[in-house]
Amino acid sequence: GQQVMQIPQYQHVQEGEDFTTYCNSSTTLSNIQWYKQRPGGHPVFLIQLVKSGEVKKQKRLTFQFGEAKKNSSLHITATQTTDVGTYFCAGPINAGKSTFGDGTTLTVKP
Amino acid sequence: DTEVTQTPKHLVMGMTNKKSLKCEQHMGHRAMYWYKQKAKKPPELMFVYSYEKLSINESVPSRFSPECPNSSLLNLHLHALQPEDSALYLCASSQGVPPKSSYEQYFGPGTRLTVT
Repeated sequence: GQQVMQIPQYQHVQEGEDFTTYCNSSTTLSNIQWYKQRPGGHPVFLIQLVKSGEVKKQKRLTFQFGEAKKNSSLHITATQTTDVGTYFCAGPINAGKSTFGDGTTLTVKP
Repeated sequence: DTEVTQTPKHLVMGMTNKKSLKCEQHMGHRAMYWYKQKAKKPPELMFVYSYEKLSINESVPSRFSPECPNSSLLNLHLHALQPEDSALYLCASSQGVPPKSSYEQYFGPGTRLTVT
């Protein structure tokens, strides 16, 4: 089945610094989704990317899907304390194994 | 109403008990999901219901038995669980049905299950 690898596992930043998390797959993905889970909370959908080379922005968040549709990234500009949490990418759900990446836990020091 | 609700919030059960987790959504979503999440780990997909029919079972042990009584409700029946089954159980729903192109998943708050 497919496997989506996500790095880094943890990222500690000073408030105002930028943050990036990366997802990679050994196979071509039909789509990739991104979720955020606050401590003690549940995953919240952020975005879905479908097209090769797609770039989408949500305020300070920029999402990219690679040209080969095998990698994706989430970049946060000028982090704030409200950005803390774990960010997951998720490959498509097919008849085979569906996987979330292991997640990147972001902590922001004020 | 963009909310997925789950009951109970917390559940402690013995290994010989039978219990059920409940999930409800009133968004008219056509797909519903059960996930299991251990601490500091990603959610693991267990089951997917599409149009009230079980479409994906990720080789989950038979001590977990899902049920979809109607398009708004999803249950997970538990029987003879093991301590290692202790986890957060998350329900989700989506308008789109996988593996089609768009299925933004709305997650419920989860049921924190402890098996003693």
